[in-house]
Amino acid sequence: ETGVTQTPRHLVMGMTNKKSLKCEQHLGHNAMYWYKQSAKKPLELMFVYNFKEQTENNSVPSRFSPECPNSSHLFLHLHTLQPEDSALYLCASSQVGGRGSYNEQFFGPGTRLTVL
Amino acid sequence: TQLLEQSPQFLSIQEGENLTVYCNSSSVFSSLQWYRQEPGEGPVLLVTVVTGGEVKKLKRLTFQFGDARKDSSLHITAAQPGDTGLYLCAGAGQGAQKLVFGQGTRLTINP
Repeated sequence: ETGVTQTPRHLVMGMTNKKSLKCEQHLGHNAMYWYKQSAKKPLELMFVYNFKEQTENNSVPSRFSPECPNSSHLFLHLHTLQPEDSALYLCASSQVGGRGSYNEQFFGPGTRLTVL
Repeated sequence: TQLLEQSPQFLSIQEGENLTVYCNSSSVFSSLQWYRQEPGEGPVLLVTVVTGGEVKKLKRLTFQFGDARKDSSLHITAAQPGDTGLYLCAGAGQGAQKLVFGQGTRLTINP
């Protein structure tokens, strides 16, 4: 596997379900991100992890719970979601710090989430 | 709050035509990135511009960073159906890890 992978690619869940999204980066990067992409809205940053430590929570509701066990893996645990949470959830990674680093982010293909 | 405004939001043109997409802000960015996203996929980085006035070319795509580092443009020459996609600009503030994304330009090139 190369780049950034995400599973599952599609997920349909009810409002009472609990599910998890998984992201893995094979680029040796030290930072990982979760974004939400909805129709007609700019990409919304949700969480940032540097060296597996959370450094940013962009006022995300507690029904979204991230987990970063190491620099290569990132999870997003979902529970009691609302229909308005239906969106494309994108994971990204980047190499932060160091000379010439501009935080260029590499994205996975996303998980298309539908909440019924 | 830093914001990036992209225009136009939608553009549909015929194969062979030229086009320009704009990305504007009132804020200064230390660097600006352009991504292209195809349906069912994540955004893919096309280019990063870091110096005011910088021009970078990627085949038929020309990217420019404004002199004041507040705006950028993407010009495509002789567009092809393979250029179809969502084009996103994203700015990074000085020393900031977060990227600010524009709302995107959805480009359709008709054969």
